[in-house]
Amino acid sequence: NAGVMQNPRHLVRRRGQEARLRCSPMKGHSHVYWYRQLPEEGLKFMVYLQKENIIDESGMPKERFSAEFPKEGPSILRIQQVVRGDSAAYFCASSPRSFATNEKLFFGSGTQLSVL
Amino acid sequence: AQTVTQSQPEMSVQEAETVTLSCTYDTSESNYYLFWYKQPPSRQMILVIRQEAYKQQNATENRFSVNFQKAAKSFSLKISDSQLGDTAMYFCASRYSGAGSYQLTFGKGTKLSVIP
Repeated sequence: NAGVMQNPRHLVRRRGQEARLRCSPMKGHSHVYWYRQLPEEGLKFMVYLQKENIIDESGMPKERFSAEFPKEGPSILRIQQVVRGDSAAYFCASSPRSFATNEKLFFGSGTQLSVL
Repeated sequence: AQTVTQSQPEMSVQEAETVTLSCTYDTSESNYYLFWYKQPPSRQMILVIRQEAYKQQNATENRFSVNFQKAAKSFSLKISDSQLGDTAMYFCASRYSGAGSYQLTFGKGTKLSVIP
């Protein structure tokens, strides 16, 4: 059973470009969570999605950031018009049921976004 | 809101020795969960151990154990018989158990180096 797969592992963008980060949850998992890790910081919650639904996006910046988890395919975190402050590691985690039900979270290895 | 504090940015330990990583937290909730995650150079977040606040008994997973002091809001991790593979960043995290309780709150981490 493959783990949570994130790609690309490294992504370099120039200021003003768009970044698209992909996350394929573990097989059988329909709950996806995105976290961001800034340099020298712990991970911070961004958004929680179930298939075709955004459950909680309270940690997402109001502008330029969006996330989706379609019925088919991976979850996508999209950052439009990137700025240097977006440089960070973005992690995806998944669970078979809501983490609120005491499920274990499984993390991917993250995507390191560097904005030049 | 929950906060998690790790006061030791870096630590080192000789191979086969024991080391303790500190973590304090602040929460107004009566029931919550506490976690230690390991982040090796591969960057993947790996759950080391989990403690449920309503359980008085300290959690143990092989060489890893916790000292949970609920009144002091302290949750330290003890690694016995340290191995080179234990070299990693260690993050303490919390999650309350109420509605919407799928967000983990992380500390800033402790970088542990195991010296041969």
